[in-house]
Amino acid sequence: DGGITQSPKYLFRKEGQNVTLSCEQNLNHDAMYWYRQDPGQGLRLIYYSQIVNDFQKGDIAEGYSVSREKKESFPLTVTSAQKNPTAFYLCASSPATGELFFGEGSRLTVL
Amino acid sequence: AQSVAQPEDQVNVAEGNPLTVKCTYSVSGNPYLFWYVQYPNRGLQFLLKYITGDNLVKGSYGFEAEFNKSQTSFHLKKPSALVSDSALYFCAVRGEGRRALTFGSGTRLQVQP
Repeated sequence: DGGITQSPKYLFRKEGQNVTLSCEQNLNHDAMYWYRQDPGQGLRLIYYSQIVNDFQKGDIAEGYSVSREKKESFPLTVTSAQKNPTAFYLCASSPATGELFFGEGSRLTVL
Repeated sequence: AQSVAQPEDQVNVAEGNPLTVKCTYSVSGNPYLFWYVQYPNRGLQFLLKYITGDNLVKGSYGFEAEFNKSQTSFHLKKPSALVSDSALYFCAVRGEGRRALTFGSGTRLQVQP
């Protein structure tokens, strides 16, 4: 089936550790996005990429890093510099028509 | 800058009654407007979008939305609510030349049997 796959679904991290969240899509979309969701705050944009080997910072990029080496893949690394990383992370991709298609999300908890 | 406001944290409606979830936006140029629905611990599902054309847009699961340029609004509506419509609803906007959506804070819809 076509779609967006995020893994892992649940992740626990100790303070000071980096973690990487995986996002893979087989929709042949050029654009991919990472959003963070916190209760009562909606979704906030972390990074986005419009094409392979290029990406742009979103509104809350500090403490995060991404890569886009392949069209299908857009992994997000949550670094130890992120002060409050506990959140629900959503990956999405988009065709030229603009609507986003979302994965099922990854819930990160810092212990 | 682009922004979205969803003024109601929660909307309660009885099953079978019409529902409205409100959304207003601010963007430079012509807006691209979207509604999404989220069930607990799941990703967001696309409901409908307005890019251009008819101000009344029909989408999935019987939902529709009305674009009002003068009021900068894009309210989500459904003529007859179902208990299964209970979920978190997000409005989103993108301005011309922008590549990422800005989301509102979400409105929780509760449909009572």
